[in-house]
Amino acid sequence: GDSVTQMEGPVTLSEEAFLTINCTYTATGYPSLFWYVQYPGEGLQLLLKATKADDKGSNKGFEATYRKETTSFHLEKGSVQVSDSAVYFCALSDAIGGGADGLTFGKGTHLIIQP
Amino acid sequence: DAGVIQSPRHEVTEMGQEVTLRCKPISGHNSLFWYRQTMMRGLELLIYFNNNVPIDDSGMPEDRFSAKMPNASFSTLKIQPSEPRDSAVYFCASIGGPHEQFFGPGTRLTVL
Repeated sequence: GDSVTQMEGPVTLSEEAFLTINCTYTATGYPSLFWYVQYPGEGLQLLLKATKADDKGSNKGFEATYRKETTSFHLEKGSVQVSDSAVYFCALSDAIGGGADGLTFGKGTHLIIQP
Repeated sequence: DAGVIQSPRHEVTEMGQEVTLRCKPISGHNSLFWYRQTMMRGLELLIYFNNNVPIDDSGMPEDRFSAKMPNASFSTLKIQPSEPRDSAVYFCASIGGPHEQFFGPGTRLTVL
């Protein structure tokens, strides 16, 4: 079955540091890949997505590139802020053509940014 | 739009009691998902509906769990009887544009 593996947390960085959160996946088809963010006490919010190989998703300074050859979708940001402190989830969907299908999530990585 | 609405936000109950969680998806969204989040298991898909019809309930842990979607604007997840191991945060999500799920704020369930 499908699975997503992401680096264990918590990850603690200083403000303005470079961020990488690793994510690799296993899927039977050609999945779409996502990063969701969860702030304390809130539900998940879509941060970025990529639907095919070599696509780069980007939002709010975060980027991730869909690498089919390494089955990876690592999240990066060049300069993190305290407000980026949250839990980040890598996820995939096998739905074809954007149709409805449940997401398979990684365990989440808790990111802590210190001033 | 108010987004996906879940109620209650917090529920504390005793073992053996029935628990009903509610969800109102975003208007116009025709797919709805229930997830459970725990520290041990992370986020798990329990069940999802397309056009009010359950499509995949393979994630429902056991017969104590049931979900319904009587119309396009309302869904329930029921646990009867509840057990302490059901304690978790339960999220509802609905799908908008291609590939994008919108999540509700969740219901934090504690079973004593």
